[in-house]
Parts: sequence; C-alpha cells; structure tokens
Amino acid sequence: DVKVTQSSRYLVKRTGEKVFLECVQDMDHENMFWYRQDPGLGLRLIYFSYDVKMKEKGDIPEGYSVSREKKERFSLILESASTNQTSMYLCASNGEAGAGELFFGEGSRLTVL
Amino acid sequence: KNQVEQSPQSLIILEGKNCTLQCNYTVSPFSNLRWYKQDTGRGPVSLTIMTFSENTKSNRRYTATLDADTKQSSLHITASQLSDSASYICVVSGNDYKLSFGAGTTVTVRA
Repeated sequence: DVKVTQSSRYLVKRTGEKVFLECVQDMDHENMFWYRQDPGLGLRLIYFSYDVKMKEKGDIPEGYSVSREKKERFSLILESASTNQTSMYLCASNGEAGAGELFFGEGSRLTVL
Repeated sequence: KNQVEQSPQSLIILEGKNCTLQCNYTVSPFSNLRWYKQDTGRGPVSLTIMTFSENTKSNRRYTATLDADTKQSSLHITASQLSDSASYICVVSGNDYKLSFGAGTTVTVRA
C-alpha cells in the first residue's frame, strides 16, 4: 500500500513557539505538497516541492517555511506559531504534476493557544 | 480567478437512499476533475477522475458525471451505507497543473 505518513496527528503549541510538521512518503514521488484545511474554506496550498531542495510558494505561504533535504521527506515549519495558524495540516504527494492523483497523509491537527 | 463551488454544503440521508452532490467550476482551460472522499479525521482519498472527453464514470456505488460545456460535475451515491458518511471534495485541474479545490460537501448517513 502506498503511504504518506505525517509525524504528529495532534499538537498543542503556545503562541510564539516553533513548530515542525514532518511528512514522509514511500512512493518515490517527485512532488510533495502542504495544505491547510479549514471549515468552509477547503484545502489551501501553503508550499510545494517538485524536487529535493526545491520549494515553491503556494497560495498562503506567509508565516510558513518548508524543507526538503531528501526526496521522501517534506517538512513544514512555523517559525513563530500564532493562533490563526490553528488548523488541520495535510501533506500530499504525487508522481505526476497537476493531473496526477494526490496521496494524502492522515493530517496533523494543530492548536495554537 | 479559478473557482470550484460545491453544493449542498451538507446533507443528511437515510441508509439505503440515494443522493447527488454538485460541483460547478470556472477553471479554464480544463484538464481533469477528481472527486475525493475524506472520512472524519483522515486524509482525502481519490474516488474517481473525469477528463474532458468523459461524461460518466462509476466506482462501485459512486457515479460521477461531467458536463464540460456547462462546467458542472455531479457525484451520485447509490444505496447509501453508513460508511459513506464523509466529506466529498471536488478538485479541478487546469492545463497549468494548478489544482482548485471545492470546500466540500459533508454527507451524513443515518440508520
């Protein structure tokens, strides 16, 4: 079975803390994505990567950064968490840009107090 | 701006009944449209993909339709089961490989 694994299902952090969300895929996919999902807004793209050490901003990159040091791993970093970053974060990968099926992780629900 | 609108926002149906979810989009040019199912607390999983030339496609009790002229798609669930309770997300891909997501329809199936 193909698998995208997110390191933490639930996190509670305080305002100003640094937060790392890790994502690992075992499908040898080139493309990896980070989305956030909020009620009524659907999924919004934060950052994506088409190759190792490569990153591109999505629609809402402010307040976030990413790291892709290895092909299978894509990390999302919140340098200084704020309450408006409380959300569900979903990592996804695919082997074919745009038209390809996205394979999602189980999600990381982050609460910032 | 490319948009994907889904309706209804939520619906409740009795087990064994049918229902239809709608997706209207303005993405142009169009590459394909996918329906994803997202169980509570889980990541979305692809149900079906529709390309420009396809009108209807079935996956078990799920039937998706596409009218590329009117830019509308529907997802029909036949003989609903409790396990169909989930959010259903419409995702449209343009030729620039950018994905546009609908906000989803939450389906609740009651016994």
